[in-house]
Amino acid sequence: DAGVTQSPTHLIKTRGQHVTLRCSPISGHKSVSWYQQVLGQGPQFIFQYYEKEERGRGNFPDRFSARQFPNYSSELNVNALLLGDSALYLCASSLGPPETQYFGPGTRLLVL
Amino acid sequence: DQQVKQNSPSLSVQEGRISILNCDYTNSMFDYFLWYKKYPAEGPTFLISISSIKDKNEDGRFTVFLNKSAKHLSLHIVPSQPGDSAVYFCAASDTGTASKLTFGTGTRLQVTL
Repeated sequence: DAGVTQSPTHLIKTRGQHVTLRCSPISGHKSVSWYQQVLGQGPQFIFQYYEKEERGRGNFPDRFSARQFPNYSSELNVNALLLGDSALYLCASSLGPPETQYFGPGTRLLVL
Repeated sequence: DQQVKQNSPSLSVQEGRISILNCDYTNSMFDYFLWYKKYPAEGPTFLISISSIKDKNEDGRFTVFLNKSAKHLSLHIVPSQPGDSAVYFCAASDTGTASKLTFGTGTRLQVTL
């Protein structure tokens, strides 16, 4: 069975630009969460979506937004990119919010 | 404000011996704890979890111990194998479930022959 997939795998942007990251959950999983992992740190929770509704938001500015589609895939959008947004962005899926999360390999974003 | 702390950035253990990875937390609202393992270029992989109503959970070679009064948990791997070499993250949640996780900074485990 396919695991969580994320695209693209790597991305280079410049300050002020906008970026969209994509995630496809494991088949049958209805919840998707996004995490940011800055070099040398652990992943930090950004959003959780379940059945297309936001179920939780971490301590991130409004430049970060996300949505979940009817097929349960998800997009993370970041506007007005800053150098500090350079990180590995991880997507995790689960059957539902209480269940164990399974992570994808991540998208590595570099902002120059 | 680091609410989940893994104070040892790295640990080296001989194959066959016990690996003990430690984690401390400061938020008394955390009530569910997990350990994840991460290989390079892969996402974190779930290993084992424990609810705050328990003090021990075992799964094969992996055992997690929780000391609520000390706000401390540990992961024991016995016996350690070379394939266990990875970065281990401790994570916690205040939802009573495995969601909205707060992660530690990770401990790199090297299992040597």
